[in-house]
Amino acid sequence: AQRVTQPEKLLSVFKGAPVELKCNYSYSGSPELFWYVQYSRQRLQLLLRHISRESIKGFTADLNKGETSFHLKKPFAQEEDSAMYYCALLNYGGATNKLIFGTGTLLAVQP
Amino acid sequence: DAGVIQSPRHEVTEMGQEVTLRCKPISGHDYLFWYRQTMMRGLELLIYFNNNVPIDDSGMPEDRFSAKMPNASFSTLKIQPSEPRDSAVYFCASSLAGTGADTQYFGPGTRLTVL
Repeated sequence: AQRVTQPEKLLSVFKGAPVELKCNYSYSGSPELFWYVQYSRQRLQLLLRHISRESIKGFTADLNKGETSFHLKKPFAQEEDSAMYYCALLNYGGATNKLIFGTGTLLAVQP
Repeated sequence: DAGVIQSPRHEVTEMGQEVTLRCKPISGHDYLFWYRQTMMRGLELLIYFNNNVPIDDSGMPEDRFSAKMPNASFSTLKIQPSEPRDSAVYFCASSLAGTGADTQYFGPGTRLTVL
């Protein structure tokens, strides 16, 4: 079954420390993965997608098919990175294409 | 564009009452999604529409939940009768055809509390 797992509900780091938000997936086809972010009092929004191989706000995520992972990383955390982060998998299912979200990880960056 | 609009932003009701949540997608978007967010289960897709037609409602928890999209600019999610376990934040999102389901634009959410 298609599934996205984010094992950590809360990740607390100090400003300037490296950050890694873990995401593992289960999917039978070729996966397309995304990270969405929700800052306090703001809407959930797309942060980055693996096919773009982009770096957004210093964050990167590499798809590792061998480990079925798509961890989100940033070398030096900033206080403004504090937010809820969701990993998502695009599930192609014939007539239905939909995103499957993980349960989310709350990142708290301490000063 | 004001983005996806949801109303009400907060709803407090008593068990057994009917609850109606409303959503206005971004103009021109073909897809509309309803999600439920809870601490335990994260973000769950309830149902989505393409060109006003329900495509996948496999996430709708039970018959107490129903959703409609009478036209391209309006959708409702109804819970009747409501129960305390329905307490959650309900999000509506929309996206453009061509990009499919991946780039979704979310509304601010409706925080529902059922007492």
